[in-house]
Amino acid sequence: DQQVKQNSPSLSVQEGRISILNCDYTNSMFDYFLWYKKYPAEGPTFLISISSIKDKNEDGRFTVFLNKSAKHLSLHIVPSQPGDSAVYFCAASAGGNKLTFGGGTRVLVKP
Amino acid sequence: EPEVTQTPSHQVTQMGQEVILRCVPISNHLYFYWYRQILGQKVEFLVSFYNNEISEKSEIFDDQFSVERPDGSNFTLKIRSTKLEDSAMYFCASSSGEDTQYFGPGTRLTVL
Repeated sequence: DQQVKQNSPSLSVQEGRISILNCDYTNSMFDYFLWYKKYPAEGPTFLISISSIKDKNEDGRFTVFLNKSAKHLSLHIVPSQPGDSAVYFCAASAGGNKLTFGGGTRVLVKP
Repeated sequence: EPEVTQTPSHQVTQMGQEVILRCVPISNHLYFYWYRQILGQKVEFLVSFYNNEISEKSEIFDDQFSVERPDGSNFTLKIRSTKLEDSAMYFCASSSGEDTQYFGPGTRLTVL
């Protein structure tokens, strides 16, 4: 199932700098997008979401941008902190139903 | 802050045995889900449950799988006859219907 793709398996960033994570999707029926953070041996933790009627949503250090025409979304983390080191998953749903996940991007924030 | 809980955290079983994975969703949520993640693969949807019935299931969710909400708080996933390829992390999630799903910590199932 390649409907949601995260093309960068890993990202390394210096503490205090911006982390930008990208996600592409193919299903035009998707109308709700979410980002989850996951530590090893734990469940996905919800970070931030965006509806398809918006192009930006901001919550503290986290901002999600949605470009519907390009079927692309991104998560910006500013400033990055060492505690942000984790795997980040993009997920999408159509009509509030099942989530389709991307493969994840492992973020390492270096002190 | 309310959270989804799951038990056990790790289950080891022999191939062919039945397992029941348990979840307690967030108390005012109405929609319940099971997902799994095989090591090194994506998180994948298994089944959704609303109003005491399955609302959607994936092709993975065959006759060996079943779900139940036996009381007002628990939500269970049963695998009748486990196979080696059922080894995975199983995540329960719940939502109030406002699209955001909240996940439990997962149960690691190891089938020997």
